[in-house]
Amino acid sequence: GAGVSQSPSNKVTEKGKDVELRCDPISGHTALYWYRQSLGQGLEFLIYFQGNSAPDKSGLPSDRFSAERTGGSVSTLTIQRTQQEDSAVYLCASGYRDGAFYGYTFGSGTRLTVV
Amino acid sequence: AQSVTQLDSQVPVFEEAPVELRCNYSSSVSVYLFWYVQYPNQGLQLLLKYLSGSTLVESINGFEAEFNKSQTSFHLRKPSVHISDTAEYFCAVDSGNTPLVFGKGTRLSVIA
Repeated sequence: GAGVSQSPSNKVTEKGKDVELRCDPISGHTALYWYRQSLGQGLEFLIYFQGNSAPDKSGLPSDRFSAERTGGSVSTLTIQRTQQEDSAVYLCASGYRDGAFYGYTFGSGTRLTVV
Repeated sequence: AQSVTQLDSQVPVFEEAPVELRCNYSSSVSVYLFWYVQYPNQGLQLLLKYLSGSTLVESINGFEAEFNKSQTSFHLRKPSVHISDTAEYFCAVDSGNTPLVFGKGTRLSVIA
């Protein structure tokens, strides 16, 4: 597609429930990032996928968080047993490497509210 | 590990005045540098980037940033700001081998 698409745009969930957030990167982009942005905070790195390499999961805050990227394209971020501190905007970005890198394009984000 | 420091969390400035948003980074390797802008209730948009070549880069809306390797800085400037420039600005650095790292952001408020 023309841009990075994230769904849903808003998600309200009850504490303890699992949620899945989806990211459709720009077609052909090999690199994909997940970040989260809490109210009044900066951007916190979560996980990074680059081509067929093992993902960099060093930013995941706990084992309740996981992400996968199927077929080198769509990515899903899963949060299990959500807590109120998980409330944030979750941002996905994609970029193209392997000799052609022009920066990263961000999606509009998923606003997650845990009640 | 690389890091990005945006020294000013908030910058108020009058309309048509010049502005500089400061960004310093730490990295032991060559880097790519970015400025992203986030308008109220919107997502992040790439404002400008330094990948290689000329150290002065410009955006289409009058912003410019200069990569200074000796000072490890990538300050963002605009000679005359508009009300519409009110937004949060994030500096980011990418060394190619580690995740894209962002500063904590600078909230630019343009006052009429």
